[in-house]
Amino acid sequence: GDSVTQMEGPVTLSEEACLTINCTYTATGYPSLFWYVQYPGEGLQLLLKATKADDKGSNKGFEATYRKETTSFHLEKGSVQVSDSAVYFCALSSNTGKLIFGQGTTLQVKP
Amino acid sequence: GAGVSQSPSNKVTEKGKDVELRCDPISGHTALYWYRQSLGQGLEFLIYFQGNSAPDKSGLPSDRFSAERTGGSVSTLTIQRTQQEDSAVYLCASSLNRDYEQFFGPGTRLTVL
Repeated sequence: GDSVTQMEGPVTLSEEACLTINCTYTATGYPSLFWYVQYPGEGLQLLLKATKADDKGSNKGFEATYRKETTSFHLEKGSVQVSDSAVYFCALSSNTGKLIFGQGTTLQVKP
Repeated sequence: GAGVSQSPSNKVTEKGKDVELRCDPISGHTALYWYRQSLGQGLEFLIYFQGNSAPDKSGLPSDRFSAERTGGSVSTLTIQRTQQEDSAVYLCASSLNRDYEQFFGPGTRLTVL
């Protein structure tokens, strides 16, 4: 069945460091891909998405490119801030619309 | 406008009791999803409602779990004879339609003693 694998955390970075969180997927067909973020004490919210191969999703300085040839959707940011500390989930949307999530990666950014 | 709301925010129950969790989706959203977030299993899909179609129940972990959606709006997730492994945060999400962005509620934290 469809699945998502993302790098395990926690990831600890200093402010202004570069971030990459790896995400790969297995799916039949051509799913949409998402990154969700869960800030401390808050609900899950959509960070960015891409709906077809080679699409790049971007938001709040984060980017991810839908790579069909490597079945990947890695999350990147050039310069992280303390306020980016959160749990990040990679997900795909199956043909029924339900989301299949990776295990989540905790990011901690230190000043 | 109002987002997805869930109640209660916290529920502590004893093993063997039944519990009901409620979700109020965003008005006008035809699709409604339930997920479970637990330490051991991460975020798992449970059940999906789309308009008047039969729900997709493929993620329900056992027959102790059931859900209904009345009038295409409010949904209730019921867990009968709760077990300790049911302890988790239960999340509800709604979307305008199947392929649109899902908006999540704050969740219900269920603790089974």
